[in-house]
Amino acid sequence: ETGVTQTPRHLVMGMTNKKSLKCEQHLGHNAMYWYKQSAKKPLELMFVYNFKEQTENNSVPSRFSPECPNSSHLFLHLHTLQPEDSALYLCASSQDGSGVPFGQYFGPGTRLTVL
Amino acid sequence: AQSVTQLDSHVSVSEGTPVLLRCNYSSSYSPSLFWYVQHPNKGLQLLLKYTSAATLVKGINGFEAEFKKSETSFHLTKPSAHMSDAAEYFCVVSVGAGSYQLTFGKGTKLSVIP
Repeated sequence: ETGVTQTPRHLVMGMTNKKSLKCEQHLGHNAMYWYKQSAKKPLELMFVYNFKEQTENNSVPSRFSPECPNSSHLFLHLHTLQPEDSALYLCASSQDGSGVPFGQYFGPGTRLTVL
Repeated sequence: AQSVTQLDSHVSVSEGTPVLLRCNYSSSYSPSLFWYVQHPNKGLQLLLKYTSAATLVKGINGFEAEFKKSETSFHLTKPSAHMSDAAEYFCVVSVGAGSYQLTFGKGTKLSVIP
């Protein structure tokens, strides 16, 4: 798993905690994504960053706050989460700009449990 | 708008027998199509992709898929299942510029019986 890495792999937090998820890609890509994967639901796109600029926010609640300091790093800051936010959070990256989709490359995910 | 339907939520095959995972899509434009695999407690791995080149696409681990525009299908096949193929498989369609706006199917869980 040297392409896209995510830390931590597991996180348990209370509803009043503040935590951050980290994603790093070693593929030289320019676009990065956060997805939420809940049981028995399709993968949900949360945020897209292209060349460090946020290009998509899929109506995500403000208790999720993304940050992309450079094309290789992506963070998801979490605060005052709800139990229904428990899920697997996946980070992905892709090449960009040519108009030809090459596919996205995913990290292993962070399994988040909100108590 | 695009959508993707995976026709089976669960498929069970015996080891050494063929695998067929079905996917139908709808799209207003020429789509790009992907299959991803997710093993337990792991992230998604790209198996193969179709981007308007050859309609028969070969991927990793012996999987292949055929794009059939007339049937709006992109079924995933493998001639002989291996125990390590047991995982969840996602069919994905993209019509956005670059690699944005992926629409994922709900997934098909493949079980392989020894």
